[in-house]
Amino acid sequence: AQKVTQAQTEISVVEKEDVTLDCVYETRDTTYYLFWYKQPPSGELVFLIRRNSFDEQNEISGRYSWNFQKSTSSFNFTITASQVVDSAVYFCALSELTSGSRLTFGEGTQLTVNP
Amino acid sequence: DSGVTQTPKHLITATGQRVTLRCSPRSGDLSVYWYQQSLDQGLQFLIQYYNGEERAKGNILERFSAQQFPDLHSELNLSSLELGDSALYFCASSVEGGSRDEQFFGPGTRLTVL
Repeated sequence: AQKVTQAQTEISVVEKEDVTLDCVYETRDTTYYLFWYKQPPSGELVFLIRRNSFDEQNEISGRYSWNFQKSTSSFNFTITASQVVDSAVYFCALSELTSGSRLTFGEGTQLTVNP
Repeated sequence: DSGVTQTPKHLITATGQRVTLRCSPRSGDLSVYWYQQSLDQGLQFLIQYYNGEERAKGNILERFSAQQFPDLHSELNLSSLELGDSALYFCASSVEGGSRDEQFFGPGTRLTVL
């Protein structure tokens, strides 16, 4: 069965610090997709990134970067030079080819960036 | 703005009642998903529709039902409501409904059962 674990419940940093959010997943499928979503205080879920299981290349988008390592079943998310507007709950999610497109979410990490 | 709309934004009702949540997907998206977010259960997949047909079912209670109409909007019906049904209900949509699809979420409907 698929499972996503975000062991960090809450993280608090000071603005301009770098912060890494951890995500560990479990799946028996060889084809799967990993996602990160952001939930700001307003409540909506905002899509950030999707990776497939065959592409382990790290990705950078502005201050955001993602490190996908199949060997450790991890898909970690780093925010460089954090800003107050980054304060939100961040969710890692998994979908498996054999389980359809349902997303299995981790518990979420509450990130607070203090000025 | 994801392009997915949900109404109403807030809903307050009493135990035993029935409510209907409505979702309109992004233009061009054929698949609609419903998720429930609660403090104790986290974000959980409920059900998926693709072009009017049910495609996948998750942890959806028998008291809950959903459908997708020919114009592709979807409704989630919750009946015999209990206090534990209080949650944020999200609708999401995607183009094809496959596992590689990015799902775009609506703003959610916050349901409070008193």
